[in-house]
Amino acid sequence: EAQVTQNPRYLITVTGKKLTVTCSQNMNHEYMSWYRQDPGLGLRQIYYSMNVEVTDKGDVPEGYKVSRKEKRNFPLILESPSPNQTSLYFCASSVGLAVYNEQFFGPGTRLTVL
Amino acid sequence: AQTVTQSQPEMSVQEAETVTLSCTYDTSESDYYLFWYKQPPSRQMILVIRQEAYKQQNATENRFSVNFQKAAKSFSLKISDSQLGDAAMYFCAYRSPRRDNNNDMRFGAGTRLTVKP
Repeated sequence: EAQVTQNPRYLITVTGKKLTVTCSQNMNHEYMSWYRQDPGLGLRQIYYSMNVEVTDKGDVPEGYKVSRKEKRNFPLILESPSPNQTSLYFCASSVGLAVYNEQFFGPGTRLTVL
Repeated sequence: AQTVTQSQPEMSVQEAETVTLSCTYDTSESDYYLFWYKQPPSRQMILVIRQEAYKQQNATENRFSVNFQKAAKSFSLKISDSQLGDAAMYFCAYRSPRRDNNNDMRFGAGTRLTVKP
């Protein structure tokens, strides 16, 4: 089954404790991205990657890091989480750069930083 | 940068009735794509319908259709014969075709739709 998976689905942590949210897709998609969803703000892009070893900042990259060492994986790293990073996070992927192509979303990760 | 506005934070509709969700956007580009995504309580983002800006014909997917007004920069979603399973948060999204704009996808704040039995 074609899908985007994220782990963990739920995470409660404390300020300053490094964490990684994994994202993996099995569709051989070149394009992957991370979004955060906050009430009243919709989804905002954090980082994106157009292919292996090619990443760039989205609209709200501060406090986050990503890597793309393999085509299928695109982990999101919070080196020193803070309470303002409490949010719902989505990973997404799509075929190439054709804008018409649908973005497939993962199931989301609910992160709480105390 | 492009912006997407959904002016209705919440909407409700009676089962079997029709409801229209509004979306407007701001862009200087002439070619782009528009999407409606549904997010049920499971939180999964599900593509409902998409529209290419260069196509004048409005997209339709079963009970879902759009009213795309390019000059007015308006992209509303009509749900006909509403069903209980249509209850969800709906997001309007704009995607740029420009690689130097990272094929950016921008979302509105969302409209929460309630369906009353």
